[in-house]
Amino acid sequence: GQNIDQPTEMTATEGAIVQINCTYQTSGFNGLFWYQQHAGEAPTFLSYNVLDGLEEKGRFSSFLSRSKGYSYLLLKELQMKDSASYLCAVRAHSGNTPLVFGKGTRLSVIA
Amino acid sequence: GAVVSQHPSWVICKSGTSVKIECRSLDFQATTMFWYRQFPKQSLMLMATSNEGSKATYEQGVEKDKFLINHASLTLSTLTVTSAHPEDSSFYICSGGLGGNQPQHFGDGTRLSIL
Repeated sequence: GQNIDQPTEMTATEGAIVQINCTYQTSGFNGLFWYQQHAGEAPTFLSYNVLDGLEEKGRFSSFLSRSKGYSYLLLKELQMKDSASYLCAVRAHSGNTPLVFGKGTRLSVIA
Repeated sequence: GAVVSQHPSWVICKSGTSVKIECRSLDFQATTMFWYRQFPKQSLMLMATSNEGSKATYEQGVEKDKFLINHASLTLSTLTVTSAHPEDSSFYICSGGLGGNQPQHFGDGTRLSIL
């Protein structure tokens, strides 16, 4: 089976840094994706990792360790608009195949 | 690139009605698209993989006769919820992409409410 775990909720302060963790156990691995989803909206793509290490994109960074089945999304200089759900997703098989999603982490940014 | 458009964004209808949701790829040819369903505070659950010119592949537990998928062209996939009932009320989202190291891009989703 496929299993992706991430914390259900997190709260952080405006201007701070927050790290959202994700662990996965899947039948295969062909990349890990992070998406942002605001309430009532569709997910939007944030980052992609397929090799071990850190990928940085502005205020957002994502890290992957394939041997540990672990990833994290790092958000810096938090803004109120960053309040959203953050979804960790794995592409288990090669080719144009569907993603398996975690349940998402609801991040609340407070003043 | 890989823009996906979904329509309608919101549907409210009576129990027993059939509802069609359209998903279009605007700037790429989508031989494969995916349909997900999301209940409140839940994860996106894959319902089916839509394949251009052939039958869709449904996930376990998804009734193919209730959720009809048609993918007749490289830019359009449709999901029809037949004889919808209140338990079918959910957020339905389609996605498409080029696969490999490219992300899936999502349509804006359709919020379906069955009275």
